[in-house]
Amino acid sequence: EIVLTQSPGTLSLSPGERATLSCRASESVSSSFLAWYQQKPGQAPRLLIYGAFSRATGIPDRFSGSGSGTEFALTISRLEPEDFAVYSCHYYGNSPTFGGGTKVEIK
Amino acid sequence: QLQLQESGPGLVTPSETLSLTCSVSGASITSGDFFWGWVRQPPGKGLEWIGNIYSSAITYYNPSLKSRLNISADTSRGQFSLNLASVTAADTSIYFCVSSKTEGVPVAGAIDFWGQGILVIVSS
Repeated sequence: EIVLTQSPGTLSLSPGERATLSCRASESVSSSFLAWYQQKPGQAPRLLIYGAFSRATGIPDRFSGSGSGTEFALTISRLEPEDFAVYSCHYYGNSPTFGGGTKVEIK
Repeated sequence: QLQLQESGPGLVTPSETLSLTCSVSGASITSGDFFWGWVRQPPGKGLEWIGNIYSSAITYYNPSLKSRLNISADTSRGQFSLNLASVTAADTSIYFCVSSKTEGVPVAGAIDFWGQGILVIVSS
């Protein structure tokens, strides 16, 4: 079973700053099956990135995904007020699994 | 626009079976274009993939839940269901029904539609 470990647990930043979130897999996974989601309190998650790099429909280009093998990252180039939320990575290949999440909070 | 809506009891007694239904609108549940599934989230914690169903009959389950889990489809009603047996307090979660587009083979793509979620508490 693949385990996804996200770091840091919490990221405290100011609007306008750059956020870099990490997702590490316990073994190498195909980047074709790595996604990132944003979740706000009381809401369902929203798909941001799929296939490690591709933005979902309607997602602003300040969000970008990168990585391969066991190391993946989500970067938010300039934080907007609406970007403060919890972000989760997700491997959706064989035996899907989610990371524990990173909370991006206002500093 | 695809829409998913969960329904079922919000309170389940320990050792009983948790049963939820997801009503699908905007797409046919028999379509080979989609996988239909379930994800849960204990309050304040991370997401857990439960399983999914394809072509109304082919199921894929989380190995940690497989022995207690059944996902099925009711094509006449455009619904799919989750049954989780022998529940404990650890099964208390928000349960989301979800869908993914099929990507060849068939393989499920990333989850791109979510229901609003339903909180199920396991307690006597």
